[in-house]
Amino acid sequence: DADVTQTPRNRITKTGKRIMLECSQTKGHDRMYWYRQDPGLGLRLIYYSFDVKDINKGEISDGYSVSRQAQAKFSLSLESAIPNQTALYFCATSLAGHGRGGANTGELFFGEGSRLTVL
Amino acid sequence: GDSVTQMEGPVTLSEEAFLTINCTYTATGYPSLFWYVQYPGEGLQLLLKATKADDKGSNKGFEATYRKETTSFHLEKGSVQVSDSAVYFCALHEPGNTPLVFGKGTRLSVIA
Repeated sequence: DADVTQTPRNRITKTGKRIMLECSQTKGHDRMYWYRQDPGLGLRLIYYSFDVKDINKGEISDGYSVSRQAQAKFSLSLESAIPNQTALYFCATSLAGHGRGGANTGELFFGEGSRLTVL
Repeated sequence: GDSVTQMEGPVTLSEEAFLTINCTYTATGYPSLFWYVQYPGEGLQLLLKATKADDKGSNKGFEATYRKETTSFHLEKGSVQVSDSAVYFCALHEPGNTPLVFGKGTRLSVIA
């Protein structure tokens, strides 16, 4: 079983619909992230959470919201989907590594991605 | 702010060719540097990393050396295989409570 699981893996929806992408992890990591991948634009950070009570906006948070329901669960919502939110979405986790030289400083563990198409 | 610039792709090579994917960075502090790889249909996975100047990260025949004087972390492999076809991302992480900063990725296609 994957350590970081995303559902659904594929979703096609219509403009204006509410969509939720879910992420769960069995790695025991405190930190969780949502990224969006578009061709030619690489990975862009949407939201991240360093623990259950912590939520931070990333580079492109407009039009998205998140919920950290538990240490192991971090969901991404599109309240009213629009076509330019068509993309591949990735959830990732990391340990709370601090300081230069730490063995796990910054390393991310990714899910397999959720492909969302908004018509 | 911090940023990562990597060469644009796509890069197409014949099997057994030498690979270089350039990566340079801008950082305010003293970051750790990473290369991630994304195989078709999969999420990203860590390929190698280096945490201080002159460190060399290596894995699966790939290498990259942390060059502070040139702010670079170029990815190299002496002889690529078809199975190396993927998208490669360079990234940096500043110590503390900041997320990774990724480059835009370089798509590599290796043909037999």
